[in-house]
Amino acid sequence: EDQVTQSPEALRLQEGESSSLNCSYTVSGLRGLFWYRQDPGKGPEFLFTLYSAGEEKEKERLKATLTKKESFLHITAPKPEDSATYLCAVPFSGGYNKLIFGAGTRLAVHP
Amino acid sequence: GAGVSQSPRYKVAKRGQDVALRCDPISGHVSLFWYQQALGQGPEFLTYFQNEAQLDKSGLPSDRFFAERPEGSVSTLKIQRTQQEDSAVYLCASSLARTGGRNQPQHFGDGTRLSIL
Repeated sequence: EDQVTQSPEALRLQEGESSSLNCSYTVSGLRGLFWYRQDPGKGPEFLFTLYSAGEEKEKERLKATLTKKESFLHITAPKPEDSATYLCAVPFSGGYNKLIFGAGTRLAVHP
Repeated sequence: GAGVSQSPRYKVAKRGQDVALRCDPISGHVSLFWYQQALGQGPEFLTYFQNEAQLDKSGLPSDRFFAERPEGSVSTLKIQRTQQEDSAVYLCASSLARTGGRNQPQHFGDGTRLSIL
């Protein structure tokens, strides 16, 4: 069964305190793993796509990595404006691009 | 350029009423998706269009839910005889076609928050 699990459910950091979010997945034939950021009352905002194990992508304080079973979103020296829910998603096995999402990690960064 | 636009942003309806939610995708995006998001959860797939063809409607919860994209651009999600359990945020996303065997990222609108009283 296709499944995406994110951990932790919630994370509280002090400004400047680096950490990592985890996304583990079970799907046949991975055709991309997508990271999104979602602010309250807004739709998910696309961050990264990773296609193959060993691939890495970076954007400002965020770095996403991918293995055959999981992906990590590393946050280096976070700022309060990084506070949001981070979602990861993979396409369902069997075609098209319909995504299965994890429940997300709610990140709060305090000054 | 303009992103995915959804309207209305908020909709309150009485149980039993019909509602229609509109999605205007990014220009040139052939793929369009509808998702439902409950509070504290990730979005859940409802239905998928490629141009005007509805290729997958496996996520629609019941036959009260109907979606269309008649000209391959704007899409409407209609819910008939609404029930309280239909209360959720309905998100629309669009993307380019798969390229080189790789799925392209979906870009989301800000959703319609539907409340059924």
